[in-house]
This record gives sequence, structure tokens and C-alpha cells, in this order.
Amino acid sequence: TQLLEQSPQFLSIQEGENLTVYCNSSSVFSSLQWYRQEPGEGPVLLVTVVTGGEVKKLKRLTFQFGDARKDSSLHITAAQPGDTGLYLCAGAAPKWGNEKLTFGTGTRLTIIP
Amino acid sequence: EAGVAQSPRYKIIEKRQSVAFWCNPISGHATLYWYQQILGQGPKLLIQFQNNGVVDDSQLPKDRFSAERLKGVDSTLKIQPAKLEDSAVYLCASSPRRGEVDFHDYEQYFGPGTRLTVT
Repeated sequence: TQLLEQSPQFLSIQEGENLTVYCNSSSVFSSLQWYRQEPGEGPVLLVTVVTGGEVKKLKRLTFQFGDARKDSSLHITAAQPGDTGLYLCAGAAPKWGNEKLTFGTGTRLTIIP
Repeated sequence: EAGVAQSPRYKIIEKRQSVAFWCNPISGHATLYWYQQILGQGPKLLIQFQNNGVVDDSQLPKDRFSAERLKGVDSTLKIQPAKLEDSAVYLCASSPRRGEVDFHDYEQYFGPGTRLTVT
């Protein structure tokens, strides 16, 4: 069973601060996705990283895939109240396997105005 | 492009009753998933369909849960009889299927979910 652990589980910071959340596993993934989920809604895909060491930027959000494709991080610069939500990472099984995503445990982020 | 539709959005039932959820995926998406999300946790896959065939139902409690995807489009998930621990949000998602498997096949588009409360 592939497990993805996210840390921290909860994070509450002031508007304008920077933060990093982590997604770690002992398994190798062919790709890794980050989703954000707001209350009462389904998760929304933010980004997919595929190559070990890959860095992708989405405005103030920076995503990195670990060199060994076992872990990932999400860094938010100058956090805004609109960044509040549950952040989920999800790893995709190897290409030769089933197209199955394993979701992480989630990081609940609260940005205080 | 219309998103994934789910209904109802909320449902409250008593334990031992039955309930059904409906999902309409994004047009043209061959793969459909049902997830259970307990409050504060990540989604847990219940069942995955490829067109109208089941690909993975290893985590579906088959003694009480059932799902079908007739004609490879809409899907229904049923719980009978419900237990207190079934209280959760039930999410439906779909993903595209291109000619060759690539990482885009794993990108999932979620509906808003159905919040089930079992009392």
C-alpha cells in the first residue's frame, strides 16, 4: 500500500507570511498532483509534477517534486486569505500499473487577515 | 465545459436506511471514481470504473455498498443498510483517457460531493 503523509496537518498564519507544506512517501510515483479543497466543494487540481526535481510555479505557489519522485513540497509566498483551504497531494501509480491516485492526509491551511 | 455533477448535495438518514447518490462525469471522460472523505482527511477511493467496467473496487465494503455505471456515462453509488460510520462526503471524479497512458490520465476532476449524515 502506498502511503502519502503530509505535514503539517494544520497551519494557521498571518496574511503576508510565507509557508511550506510537505508531502512524503516511501514509494516512487510516476507523477504527483496537488489539489486545493474549499469547504463544501470537491478538490480542485492545482498542478501536476512529473519529472524528478521539477519545479512549477503558479503565481505565488511553487511546487517541487523530489529528485527520487517520492516527495513533494508546496511553498506559498505572501499568503492571502483566499489561500485558505485543505491542500491535498496525490501520487499516481507507476505507468505500468493501474491509473490510481493515492491521496495524502491533507494540510488544513488558514490565513488570518 | 460543464463540470462533474452530483446529487443530492446533502442527505440525512437514519441508520439501517438506504441511500443512493448520482454522478454525471465530464463529457467524454472514460474513467469515473467514487471516493469517501471523512471530515478532515484525504479522499479514499471506493471504486473506479473504466467506461462501464469496474477497474478497482478493493476498498468498497461490498456487504453494504454497491455501484454501477450503466452505458459508461452516469453512475450511482448505493449504501444499504447505512451505518453511523458511513457519515462522510462522497465525491465523484472523472478523468480523461487519451490514446496512450500519460500523466494527464491521472488528473481528476471532482464534483462538489454529497454530504451524508447518518443518525
